[in-house]
Amino acid sequence: AQSVTQPDIHITVSEGASLELRCNYSYGATPYLFWYVQSPGQGLQLLLKYFSGDTLVQGIKGFEAEFKRSQSSFNLRKPSVHWSDAAEYFCAVGAYNNNDMRFGAGTRLTVKP
Amino acid sequence: DTEVTQTPKHLVMGMTNKKSLKCEQHMGHRAMYWYKQKAKKPPELMFVYSYEKLSINESVPSRFSPECPNSSLLNLHLHALQPEDSALYLCASSQDSGSSYNSPLHFGNGTRLTVT
Repeated sequence: AQSVTQPDIHITVSEGASLELRCNYSYGATPYLFWYVQSPGQGLQLLLKYFSGDTLVQGIKGFEAEFKRSQSSFNLRKPSVHWSDAAEYFCAVGAYNNNDMRFGAGTRLTVKP
Repeated sequence: DTEVTQTPKHLVMGMTNKKSLKCEQHMGHRAMYWYKQKAKKPPELMFVYSYEKLSINESVPSRFSPECPNSSLLNLHLHALQPEDSALYLCASSQDSGSSYNSPLHFGNGTRLTVT
């Protein structure tokens, strides 16, 4: 079964600084990769997804992620963080032909003024 | 605004109560999901319905009973819960039940359940 690891439990960045959140996946075939964001007390919102093609994918709110098969990674980046980006970020991996999407443990982002 | 609507937003119930959580989507999605999320943890899959049939049951205790009356509605019936069942219960839907390809999950805002 597929799995995903987010090595960083908590990251703090200053407003305006760049951001990179790490995600590593494990799956024997081509994975389907997602990043979701969750604000306190809310559901999860899809930021971006990767299925195939261009390994650099653009998402909403100025986020992008790069798929690197050789490193089994799908890291999320943003050039300049805004205070409203403070939230929990989940990387998720899905497999072809099943509905079993697995989430990483999440990374909590704090933004300093 | 979310396109997946969950009611109620908050629920407090005793261990002998019977209650139900409700979820509704009108995006034409044919797969619907229940996830359980404890504080500071990722969502954990409980059930998946594909074309109104239960396709995945992640060994969830029988005190949780899902129901999918039609393609737009998903219920979770609760009975004799334990305090450790207190959590945020998230409903989600996706377009294609046969594959997560091309089918990201759309989540509701959840029901915050407290079992006393």
